[in-house]
Amino acid sequence: NAGVTQTPKFRILKIGQSMTLQCAQDMNHNYMYWYRQDPGMGLKLIYYSVGAGITDKGEVPNGYNVSRSTTEDFPLRLELAAPSQTSVYFCASSYPQDQPQHFGDGTRLSIL
Amino acid sequence: KNQVEQSPQSLIILEGKNCTLQCNYTVSPFSNLRWYKQDTGRGPVSLTIMTFSENTKSNGRYTATLDADTKQSSLHITASQLSDSASYICVVSDDGNAGNMLTFGGGTRLMVKP
Repeated sequence: NAGVTQTPKFRILKIGQSMTLQCAQDMNHNYMYWYRQDPGMGLKLIYYSVGAGITDKGEVPNGYNVSRSTTEDFPLRLELAAPSQTSVYFCASSYPQDQPQHFGDGTRLSIL
Repeated sequence: KNQVEQSPQSLIILEGKNCTLQCNYTVSPFSNLRWYKQDTGRGPVSLTIMTFSENTKSNGRYTATLDADTKQSSLHITASQLSDSASYICVVSDDGNAGNMLTFGGGTRLMVKP
């Protein structure tokens, strides 16, 4: 059972570069989320989606963009990478919204 | 502002011993409280989820309690095993919209030594 799959697992970017973090789920969940986790801190919500074609900002959306063209996929885009975006990024999904979220194993991103 | 505070930040115990992790929250309005286990290098995995009307819930050797009046929760681990070494995250859900409903604690890092 795949669950939530994130790619890549690791990435190093230079300041100003762009990249897309991929997230796919095979559980037919409507709700999908992107979080970042900084050392010793709680997860912070970046963007979320309640279904295909619908996205909304979370607590820390600046510097990121998302799209949700299908139920399965929810990519996160960094347009101009900055050192402050060095973090571990987690994608999660759930259905319905008050049920436990299923997380991927994260993408570890370093901006140098 | 909604907040979730966990204590202790880290804990070391010997294999076979019990331990209790604490979670205090100031989330309102309250919907449910969740405990997750996060192994190093992995995503969080759900252990329990409790609503306002539930004051205890178990999942194997893990037992979570909830006191909605004092806004406190605890996670008790019985007869610890080496595989219990992980971070344990308390998450509180409010009654807001789908995305802004969860507030995460910073976690308690547990190390179980042989």
